[in-house]
Amino acid sequence: EPEVTQTPSHQVTQMGQEVILRCVPISNHLYFYWYRQILGQKVEFLVSFYNNEISEKSEIFDDQFSVERPDGSNFTLKIRSTKLEDSAMYFCASRTPGTGNTEAFFGQGTRLTVV
Amino acid sequence: AQSVTQLGSHVSVSEGALVLLRCNYSSSVPPYLFWYVQYPNQGLQLLLKYTSAATLVKGINGFEAEFKKSETSFHLTKPSAHMSDAAEYFCAVSDRFGNEKLTFGTGTRLTIIP
Repeated sequence: EPEVTQTPSHQVTQMGQEVILRCVPISNHLYFYWYRQILGQKVEFLVSFYNNEISEKSEIFDDQFSVERPDGSNFTLKIRSTKLEDSAMYFCASRTPGTGNTEAFFGQGTRLTVV
Repeated sequence: AQSVTQLGSHVSVSEGALVLLRCNYSSSVPPYLFWYVQYPNQGLQLLLKYTSAATLVKGINGFEAEFKKSETSFHLTKPSAHMSDAAEYFCAVSDRFGNEKLTFGTGTRLTIIP
């Protein structure tokens, strides 16, 4: 069964460092998303990406964040200068085109720990 | 703006008992509604979804949910709890237009008592 793959599963970084979280969406999907879940809190939308551009972003997704689809398979989230409060589980999701009947498939997540 | 409220951050039921997890939504347009389950140290798995077909939706693992527009609710039920149902459950809403991002509730942790 096709699945969304995220790497690494866990990353520890020092405050102020740049991190890149990687995702391989399901191959025929065209909508891509990043969500995050701070420990003990709800899952929050960060950004959506379609047709090689950001289609929507939340207030959390400030200038420190960027997304890219560098080739036909990967979808990355970059945090330029990490802060302690960026520590969270980051989920990538993807779905096919079409409204309503298509579910978003989530990856297993990357746990980012900023120290 | 859309939002979801999940009543009860923790719910405990005995094995074999009815599971009822509550979700109320707010949306200015007809919503799509979802229940996701998260097992420890794992990602989010779709249990079921409502997209304006039947109001009673059946999902995986014996779960079902009923969309009640008059009550703006989408409660999740299972007739008989199993130990393997212990997990975190998230209700989510998305709109029918645009990129259909998901807005999640705060989650309900379900504990099954042997």
